[in-house]
Amino acid sequence: NAGVTQTPKFQVLKTGQSMTLQCAQDMNHNSMYWYRQDPGMGLRLIYYSASEGTTDKGEVPNGYNVSRLNKREFSLRLESAAPSQTSVYFCASSAQPSLGVNLDDSNQPQHFGDGTRLSIL
Amino acid sequence: GQSLEQPSEVTAVEGAIVQINCTYQTSGFYGLSWYQQHDGGAPTFLSYNALDGLEETGRFSSFLSRSDSYGYLLLQELQMKDSASYFCAVIGTGRRALTFGSGTRLQVQP
Repeated sequence: NAGVTQTPKFQVLKTGQSMTLQCAQDMNHNSMYWYRQDPGMGLRLIYYSASEGTTDKGEVPNGYNVSRLNKREFSLRLESAAPSQTSVYFCASSAQPSLGVNLDDSNQPQHFGDGTRLSIL
Repeated sequence: GQSLEQPSEVTAVEGAIVQINCTYQTSGFYGLSWYQQHDGGAPTFLSYNALDGLEETGRFSSFLSRSDSYGYLLLQELQMKDSASYFCAVIGTGRRALTFGSGTRLQVQP
């Protein structure tokens, strides 16, 4: 069972370069998420997609764009990388119900990929 | 918005019991989740409380008091492999995604 697969695992960029982080899940989950985690800190939500075809901003969306390509794939793009975006990026998915369904008693666990360690010089 | 408070570090010895507290502020509430993350690894789901009371899963238990906006994770019979960071998380209204606390780093000593 692959679960959530992220590529690449490591990347070094120069300031101003662009790159796309890829994420795919094979659990038929509706919801997918992108987080960043800085040293000694918790996870901060960048963007999420509650269902195929929808995306919403999280806490720290500036400097990022996302695409929910299909139900399996959710990519994160840095258009012009900055040193402040040096971080570990985690993709996650969950079986959270689609939009329009009540969330009560339906908090599904999130399944995380192994992360992408991104350094921007 | 949502905010969560948890201690930054806790130290305990092998075989002991440790409690990691979490207080939260959120508009709307659907439950409190706990995740474990070993150094260099990905977070993994531990437990979820939607209702008041204690949920037990093996050596780990999680408690919730909705009236106090408070929960805790209880780890019993601590093992060295329990050394990790532990995060509490909530979903509030207006966002169908978790907000995580900043994490509690647990060090288990021999």
